[in-house]
Amino acid sequence: GEDVEQSLFLSVREGDSSVINCTYTDSSSTYLYWYKQEPGAGLQLLTYIFSNMDMKQDQRLTVLLNKKDKHLSLRIADTQTGDSAIYFCAAGTNAGKSTFGDGTTLTVKP
Amino acid sequence: DAGVTQSPTHLIKTRGQQVTLRCSPKSGHDTVSWYQQALGQGPQFIFQYYEEEERQRGNFPDRFSGHQFPNYSSELNVNALLLGDSALYLCASSLGVEGTQYFGPGTRLLVL
Repeated sequence: GEDVEQSLFLSVREGDSSVINCTYTDSSSTYLYWYKQEPGAGLQLLTYIFSNMDMKQDQRLTVLLNKKDKHLSLRIADTQTGDSAIYFCAAGTNAGKSTFGDGTTLTVKP
Repeated sequence: DAGVTQSPTHLIKTRGQQVTLRCSPKSGHDTVSWYQQALGQGPQFIFQYYEEEERQRGNFPDRFSGHQFPNYSSELNVNALLLGDSALYLCASSLGVEGTQYFGPGTRLLVL
């Protein structure tokens, strides 16, 4: 079945850029999502990209998709302490089921 | 515009009991999906409801069942609770089965 892999931890300094990487296995994935989860909370949809796109920019967020390598990345520009959270990558199919990675914990140091 | 809401926020049960969790979708959404998130892991897909029917199911036993009502709200039922069922249960709603999913705050279930 579908598998989504992410690195577990990332630590950056405030003001730097953060890049969180994700790989997935199912080439039929049509939607790729990034969610943010703060302690004790649900998932907040940050952004998403369709599989026929290779880049999407939304304010401080840039998503890059390499469909050939099944690699997705999320870049956060000018990272702030409020960006500290767990970030989940998810791959979705036309059938509506999404498969999630185990999350990357981003720590932003002042 | 109300987002996805879930109740209760927290729940404590003992092994063997049964539990019902509830979800109201975001306004305008007609599809509800349920996920289980164990501590330190990503959400795992349980099932999806559309037009009051289960459309897709993940790798969960029959102890997990659900229902969708005509107003699109949904319930998740878990029978014969096991310690391993302790988790955060997340509901997500979308417009259509292919729509982008928006998540509720979750119900944290602890089985003792």
